[in-house]
Amino acid sequence: EAEVAQSPRYKITEKSQAVAFWCDPISGHATLYWYRQILGQGPELLVQFQDESVVDDSQLPKDRFSAERLKGVDSTLKIQPAELGDSAMYLCASSWSGSANEQFFGPGTRLTVL
Amino acid sequence: AQSVSQHNHHVILSEAASLELGCNYSYGGTVNLFWYVQYPGQHLQLLLKYFSGDPLVKGIKGFEAEFIKSKFSFNLRKPSVQWSDTAEYFCAVCPYSGGGADGLTFGKGTHLIIQP
Repeated sequence: EAEVAQSPRYKITEKSQAVAFWCDPISGHATLYWYRQILGQGPELLVQFQDESVVDDSQLPKDRFSAERLKGVDSTLKIQPAELGDSAMYLCASSWSGSANEQFFGPGTRLTVL
Repeated sequence: AQSVSQHNHHVILSEAASLELGCNYSYGGTVNLFWYVQYPGQHLQLLLKYFSGDPLVKGIKGFEAEFIKSKFSFNLRKPSVQWSDTAEYFCAVCPYSGGGADGLTFGKGTHLIIQP
C-alpha cells in the first residue's frame, strides 16, 4: 500500500540552529500539506501546495519557516533559527486534489529543540 | 476562521460499551467533515467523512457519525467498542473551497481507552 514518507523520524537540535524535514507524497498526489502538532493538541495546517505552487501559507511563521516543492513532487520544510516553542510533531499529508479527497498522513517528524 | 471543539479529552470505557464522542464546529458556510483516528504507534488515518447527502455516514470498523446542521455537530458513535478501539480520535472540518485551499482544521482530540 502506498504511503507518505517522511524523514527524519526524530530530530533533536539546539535553539538557533537550522533544521529541515523532507516529505515524499503518495505518487500522483497533486496536493501536499504540512501540519504541526503540539503535544496534546490537534494538527494545525502550516502550508498547502498544489503541484509546485503554494495555495495557503497563511499560518506559516514566515520569519523563520520556509517550505518548497520545487518539482511538484517531494517537499522540504525548513526552520531557521529553531526556537524552543517549535518542539512538536511535523506531519506531511497528501491527496489527489481538493477537499473531496482523503488526506493521507505520513508518520511525522518529532522535533525537539533544546 | 473556522474552529472545532471536542468535548471530551479523555474517555475510558469497558469493552462492549457504547461510544459517542462529541464534535462541534463553528463556520457559517458549507463544510466537509471528517473523523480521523490515530492508533498507538501508527499514522493518522481516516475513519469517515461527510460531504453531502445522507447526514448519517458510516466508516470503517463499525463507526458512524451524524451531521446535524442546526447544531453544527458531527458526533462519532459506535454501538459496541472493542479493546482495539483504544486510540486518539480527531474531528476535523474543511470549508468547501471548490478545489482551492482545503487544509483541515482539527479539534484537540479525544484519547479513548477501552478496558478489557
